[in-house]
Amino acid sequence: GAVVSQHPSWVICKSGTSVKIECRSLDFQATTMFWYRQFPKQSLMLMATSNEGSKATYEQGVEKDKFLINHASLTLSTLTVTSAHPEDSSFYICSARVVRPGQTSYEQYFGPGTRLTVT
Amino acid sequence: AQSVAQPEDQVNVAEGNPLTVKCTYSVSGNPYLFWYVQYPNRGLQFLLKYITGDNLVKGSYGFEAEFNKSQTSFHLKKPSALVSDSALYFCAVRDEGSSGDKLTFGTGTRLAVRP
Repeated sequence: GAVVSQHPSWVICKSGTSVKIECRSLDFQATTMFWYRQFPKQSLMLMATSNEGSKATYEQGVEKDKFLINHASLTLSTLTVTSAHPEDSSFYICSARVVRPGQTSYEQYFGPGTRLTVT
Repeated sequence: AQSVAQPEDQVNVAEGNPLTVKCTYSVSGNPYLFWYVQYPNRGLQFLLKYITGDNLVKGSYGFEAEFNKSQTSFHLKKPSALVSDSALYFCAVRDEGSSGDKLTFGTGTRLAVRP
């Protein structure tokens, strides 16, 4: 259980175009999903917290107009990188919070990541 | 504020030997602590967590971690390393009293197990 998928696994796009990345929880409902960005040989940087049915909460320094997040259902969140530029090239990882009855703490289960290359 | 430190960029160990990957944390309240492993070009896989209870936590693939409140540490351990354990390991913390579910990750430690 607690499987999270991402699509696509890798994408190459031209500068100025937009790219949409999907994050799905396959066997559970996720009221909260998270989007991270990871640079080579670095840790994960939280970009935003996505709550189903409401606006995402962005971390300081993350441009909300550039990184559009939509969490329209309990199993799907999308990240759209608008007007992508080479500096947006990175590894984008989503995660979903699993809440189990009777438990007060939550682990996150991660998707396999999406490698974005902007040329 | 919550923070995590992984003081070692890389840990080298011979197969069959015990391994330890260090992690220390800082939170204002009680910590929720996690270990994740990342293989190349992959997302993170959950290994284990400490929330409350026994300080020694056992997780996936034979890994365990010991919570030490006085030293604010949560070191990852395995009695006998395998070459397949070679990967990038991340420690993460969440403050029990914080709003939301934001995890703070360490910078990662690369584990290299030589045959």
